[in-house]
Amino acid sequence: KQEVTQIPAALSVPEGENLVLNCSFTDSAIYNLQWFRQDPGKGLTSLLLIQSSQREQTSGRLNASLDKSSGRSTLYIAASQPGDSATYLCAVGSNDYKLSFGAGTTVTVRA
Amino acid sequence: KAGVTQTPRYLIKTRGQQVTLSCSPISGHRSVSWYQQTPGQGLQFLFEYFSETQRNKGNFPGRFSGRQFSNSRSEMNVSTLELGDSALYLCASSQKTGGRTEAFFGQGTRLTVV
Repeated sequence: KQEVTQIPAALSVPEGENLVLNCSFTDSAIYNLQWFRQDPGKGLTSLLLIQSSQREQTSGRLNASLDKSSGRSTLYIAASQPGDSATYLCAVGSNDYKLSFGAGTTVTVRA
Repeated sequence: KAGVTQTPRYLIKTRGQQVTLSCSPISGHRSVSWYQQTPGQGLQFLFEYFSETQRNKGNFPGRFSGRQFSNSRSEMNVSTLELGDSALYLCASSQKTGGRTEAFFGQGTRLTVV
């Protein structure tokens, strides 16, 4: 059974600081890994998708890396803004058509 | 392009009742998955459908069921509701494109059981 852990559970930073969010998983036989953002009471917004054959993916201020052998992914958010305040979820996709989620990291960016 | 649409957005039901939630996937997407989100358990996989066939099911009691129609729309049903079924129910649709399968989620249905 895939177990996904996200550290830290919560993070508070001043505006402009870079964010580093960590995700680890126990089974390296993954199909893909996806990072999501969730605002309170809302659904999930897809941020980045990394296929199992890729090492990283970038979109604007966001960069995600994947190291399957060590079971880790890291999401970097450059020059954080108050609008980046949200919960960030890491989800590992498997060949049996399901995503296994971490508990999330709740980020607060202080103006 | 319209996103994943879930209806209704909010529901209040009484213990013992049953409820049906609906999900319309992104046009062209044939895979629909359902997840339950609670503060204590986080996001847990319920089931996945593709072309009207259930391909995988999570570890939930038989009170939780689902189906998919020929137009890829999906419904999930929870019978004999319990207080612990109160949760945000999220639906995701996906389609393999260029070797990539990205999941897109709806806004969810907030179910409260009283």
